[in-house]
Amino acid sequence: QQQVKQSPQSLIVQKGGIPIINCAYENTAFDYFPWYQQFPGKGPALLIAIRPDVSEKKEGRFTISFNKSAKQFSLHIMDSQPGDSATYFCAASYGGGATNKLIFGTGTLLAVQP
Amino acid sequence: DTEVTQTPKHLVMGMTNKKSLKCEQHMGHRAMYWYKQKAKKPPELMFVYSYEKLSINESVPSRFSPECPNSSLLNLHLHALQPEDSALYLCASSQVSRGELFFGEGSRLTVL
Repeated sequence: QQQVKQSPQSLIVQKGGIPIINCAYENTAFDYFPWYQQFPGKGPALLIAIRPDVSEKKEGRFTISFNKSAKQFSLHIMDSQPGDSATYFCAASYGGGATNKLIFGTGTLLAVQP
Repeated sequence: DTEVTQTPKHLVMGMTNKKSLKCEQHMGHRAMYWYKQKAKKPPELMFVYSYEKLSINESVPSRFSPECPNSSLLNLHLHALQPEDSALYLCASSQVSRGELFFGEGSRLTVL
């Protein structure tokens, strides 16, 4: 119930392509769904996040699609660039306050080829 | 640049050593976190502090001892570690009421 399942494990796209990363969860108590980008040797950086009352959110080239009934959400990267090559983690949290727990998916290693 | 600063960036220690990892944030956040990340794996939650009080301990072995001296600082004291404890240790902070965590760049720990 605490898990967040993420796929694919790795992804290769050409520059300008639209990589799509998918995540699924079971625990309906999750109420916040962020995506993090991590470059080698660096900490995760928050990219974009969504709450379950919204079906889609766009920030720049990044879009989250959220399907509450299916308990699934996905990240789309428009016009991908070689600089987007990184590991992407979806996550989910619940509780807020003193019990806020952020649970990460297993990660997707994205390579954008020039 | 990250607003969560972690020191040291790299640490090598023997199994009998005592060392500490430090984390500092000046965003006014009152929740702070320690995560552990092994290579090619997602970060795993270790501890959560809320208003300087320990609120979550994810059954972490006692050789890891967290401390939150004030609202800006978070320490992780290390003692009698094992080689399998080698990992990237990440500190994060957030507003207490929000799930938006901001991470530092981590401290790379190697236990010999």
